[in-house]
Amino acid sequence: QVQLQESGPGLVKPSETLSLTCSVSGGSVSSSSYYWSWIRQSPGKGLEWIGYVYYSGSTGYNASLKSRVTISVDTSKNQFSLKLSSVTAADTAVYYCARAPKYWYFDLWGRGTLVTVSS
Amino acid sequence: DVQMTQSPSSVSGSVGDRVTITCRASQGIASRLAWFQQKPGKAPKLLIYAASSLQSGVPSRFSGSGSGTDFTLTISSLQPEDFATYYCQQTNTFPLTFGGGTKVEIK
Repeated sequence: QVQLQESGPGLVKPSETLSLTCSVSGGSVSSSSYYWSWIRQSPGKGLEWIGYVYYSGSTGYNASLKSRVTISVDTSKNQFSLKLSSVTAADTAVYYCARAPKYWYFDLWGRGTLVTVSS
Repeated sequence: DVQMTQSPSSVSGSVGDRVTITCRASQGIASRLAWFQQKPGKAPKLLIYAASSLQSGVPSRFSGSGSGTDFTLTISSLQPEDFATYYCQQTNTFPLTFGGGTKVEIK
């Protein structure tokens, strides 16, 4: 049974870079059948798709965050990662990693991790 | 961006009731719509994809319909475990976008 697990700091200072990793167990991030995404959820903005990475390393980002986001994949570690730079309080949210087959509905989610931006 | 508007924002019902939630897209998205259920403190769970296809393991009391801009999620007979928040998501156009959610509460 494939599982996703987010990890990373729960507190980030304003203007710094948020870094999270999603570890894939019971399956492979190298599968050509899936795209691997980051999604966040905050009370103010609901669910927001951040972007995706494919096993090949190709990526796609939400234009609203594109200038600050980098998503990458590490097939040797079976994980993918999110970096969001220059964070502000508006980036405080629960961050989820998720899997989508080629039709882009998210069929598998991690449990989510709360990231708070505060000094 | 494709805006997804759900209505109502909340609905109350009793066990056994039929409940319908609506999702409207700001532009046509064919049948490229998914529905999720989310309980407090948990990740969203996929219920329906491609507007009307039931995800494996999801009870048949859940059904979806619609195409173009107007979609519905129906719970034919509310069960205690169905009290949750439901979200739609369009899968047609980047950026992928979600509706604002509909909370199904106990009457």
